[in-house]
This record gives sequence, structure tokens and C-alpha cells, in this order.
Amino acid sequence: AQKITQTQPGMFVQEKEAVTLDCTYDTSDPSYGLFWYKQPSSGEMIFLIYQGSYDQQNATEGRYSLNFQKARKSANLVISASQLGDSAMYFCAMREGRRDNDMRFGAGTRLTVKP
Amino acid sequence: GAVVSQHPSRVICKSGTSVKIECRSLDFQATTMFWYRQFPKQSLMLMATSNEGSKATYEQGVEKDKFLINHASLTLSTLTVTSAHPEDSSFYICSARAAGPNQPQHFGDGTRLSIL
Repeated sequence: AQKITQTQPGMFVQEKEAVTLDCTYDTSDPSYGLFWYKQPSSGEMIFLIYQGSYDQQNATEGRYSLNFQKARKSANLVISASQLGDSAMYFCAMREGRRDNDMRFGAGTRLTVKP
Repeated sequence: GAVVSQHPSRVICKSGTSVKIECRSLDFQATTMFWYRQFPKQSLMLMATSNEGSKATYEQGVEKDKFLINHASLTLSTLTVTSAHPEDSSFYICSARAAGPNQPQHFGDGTRLSIL
């Protein structure tokens, strides 16, 4: 069963505007971690932000913030003030506490920032 | 930040050749390393998980004898694609994680393998 769902294959955003990339997840484990990674065309995976299931506040890292809605099981990534260099694939991932060594990825969203 | 070095970044070789890919954690001890495979325009698919000093745990459908994984130290894991064939051509990415809860996985830059 699909554990991580990213429903947006591609997204476009105007430079300097904000964009939200959707991610929903499915787990019965009360302890889990949610991660977002960026993959530019060169291929490397860049860790962006982390949200723990017990964290009370939404995670923020610079221009990245995570809109964590636990009841809805969603962990959307918000990128503020988009830059041309933000164009890349973005992957949402989850690691469940009972499977501590197993991180699963969503299908990804390709973000294109327009000048 | 934590750095994972993966080498080589690109390999082109003939069918039947065995190819070894190295993954090193440069500034932390990686108790667990992961190997992923990524086809064009697709997500990362976990191939196997290895803990230092023990045998790797392979995902369903991944051939153990085809993809040999060794995790001999806390900073090095290797993936050997044995007798590679064109269908093994892909982007392979390693990832390493330190011990402890909520540790993120840090990724290498990937290896693009092309089998002629």
C-alpha cells in the first residue's frame, strides 16, 4: 500500500512567489518522522526539512516550512519567495518508528520556477 | 553539515562487467546505510539496508546475488553490481544515517550506471 502520496506531478510558480507542495501519508504508528528532499537535475538528494510526529510546532528552515496537519495526515512543504534555483524534483518521505531503518519516498513533484 | 561521498559518479561499461560503487560517510559514523535505485522520472526505490558488520537486508524483488552489499565499517558501504546487463542501467544512490532517533538520511550524489 502506498504510504506516501504526492498528487502533484508538476508545479509551476512565479519567481518570488510562494508555493505549496502537497504530501499525504498513511501510518498507524504513533511515532514517525516526515522529511522533504530536493533533487536537482544533477541528481543529488538534498535534505530540506524534518517534522516529527510529536512535534507541536510546524518545522521551519529558512524559506522552507512544513505545514503539518496531523489529523489530516498531511505534511505540505511551503517554499516562500521562490528562486530560479528552486526548480527541481521534491520528494516527501516518511520513516515510521517501528521500522526505524526504513524511509519511504513519495513519487515526487517537479517544481519549475518561472522568471 | 553531514557529507556522504559516493564514487564513481558515472560508469559506462560493457555487459558482463562487475561494477563496484562506494559510499562513504565523511564526518559521521553511519550505523546504517541504504542503497536506492532510481529510474528516469521516478522516485527512489529502496534496494537494501545494511548495518555495519551484519548482512544487508534486501527489499522484495532485489536479487542478493546480483547486488552485493558490504558494510564493513561505520564509514564505508559498497554495492557491487555483478555481471551487469543493460537492464541494470540506472541511477544508484546511497544514503547514510547516524544512530539515534530522528536522524535524517544524508545522500551521496549518486552513480549513473550505463551498461552497453
